[in-house]
Amino acid sequence: GNSVTQMEGPVTLSEEAFLTINCTYTATGYPSLFWYVQYPGEGLQLLLKATKADDKGSNKGFEATYRKETTSFHLEKGSVQVSDSAVYFCALPRDDKIIFGKGTRLHILP
Amino acid sequence: ETGVTQSPTHLIKTRGQQVTLRCSSQSGHNTVSWYQQALGQGPQFIFQYYREEENGRGNFPPRFSGLQFPNYSSELNVNALELDDSALYLCASGRSHTDTQYFGPGTRLTVL
Repeated sequence: GNSVTQMEGPVTLSEEAFLTINCTYTATGYPSLFWYVQYPGEGLQLLLKATKADDKGSNKGFEATYRKETTSFHLEKGSVQVSDSAVYFCALPRDDKIIFGKGTRLHILP
Repeated sequence: ETGVTQSPTHLIKTRGQQVTLRCSSQSGHNTVSWYQQALGQGPQFIFQYYREEENGRGNFPPRFSGLQFPNYSSELNVNALELDDSALYLCASGRSHTDTQYFGPGTRLTVL
């Protein structure tokens, strides 16, 4: 079946540290892949997406590359800020719905 | 700012009661989807409506039902509330089911 697995949190980093949040997926065909972010007290916002293998999605300094050979879509940022503290969801759109991972809570210390 | 609003923000109900949650989408968004997000979990798909017809449904019992109106508003109704229904309920809308989905801020439902 279709599923998304992402690393469990919480992840705590100091400001300006390098961030990686791992995500792998199981799906038939060649789906698009998304990262959503949920700031405290808010709904989900689409952070970035990639629609085919080897595509790199990027936004707000975050990047993720669609790797078909490893079925992965890891989220990275070179230098995190306190304002990046949030919950991050890897997601897989399938038919009429979006399948989400369990989320990774990121906490950035000043 | 996604242009998708939900009401109320918070709600407390007791087991066995019924609840209606509301969502207002952007003009031109023909699809609306509802998701349940339990604490510490990712959102789970409840169902989707397209032009006022149910277009797909997740693994939720029939006591979860919905309506979509021509003015781009929609409702999620839950009957016979159970304790496990306590969650954040999110609606998302888009021009079509393949288009980017925009999420509202959610309604936090607590069932006592």
